[in-house]
Amino acid sequence: SQQGEEDPQALSIQEGENATMNCSYKTSINNLQWYRQNSGRGLVHLILIRSNEREKHSGRLRVTLDTSKKSSSLLITASRAADTASYFCATDALGGANSKLTFGKGITLSVRP
Amino acid sequence: DAGVTQSPTHLIKTRGQQVTLRCSPKSGHDTVSWYQQALGQGPQFIFQYYEEEERQRGNFPDRFSGHQFPNYSSELNVNALLLGDSALYLCASSRGQRGYTFGSGTRLTVV
Repeated sequence: SQQGEEDPQALSIQEGENATMNCSYKTSINNLQWYRQNSGRGLVHLILIRSNEREKHSGRLRVTLDTSKKSSSLLITASRAADTASYFCATDALGGANSKLTFGKGITLSVRP
Repeated sequence: DAGVTQSPTHLIKTRGQQVTLRCSPKSGHDTVSWYQQALGQGPQFIFQYYEEEERQRGNFPDRFSGHQFPNYSSELNVNALLLGDSALYLCASSRGQRGYTFGSGTRLTVV
């Protein structure tokens, strides 16, 4: 079953604009991760945020986590055509030895040159 | 440093046949997880192997089985293939609290 639900399902922006993607989940988590997938190939890990963290940055990426609302957002600043891909949020309910990821259905991001 | 390697890249099987997919984890990783991703969907957890044992299992039938070898590599076996088993099968390796590294996947088509 899918835990996370991303919003919007599809997003089209102009190169240089910011892209904001949202994820909601249903149960408590140990951490939440964002992944990128190009054209149905393997997943690339972007960023991980733990349940006791509220915000993390990595390069052009900024992720926030609101555990009271069970939601997260991923912001990509100054987007590039190469950012065109599907983005997934994945929750890890327990972490550690019981770690396993539950993914949403994904967001399709198109960045127009 | 090689990442996660999966083989084969693509394969086509007939309903009722059996298939074996292979995964070599990233160097230094000792845990292997398998995911099934249907077209247009997010990956779904099949099972996870650690120390050659199945540590966790998702909601998949017993037709799906696996194995982990002493060198940490892993196999996913699917028996009595159904059309609905057509999907991208992803292998992910990890170690401890570190994040997951995914392979490029095996695209299985059942006809």
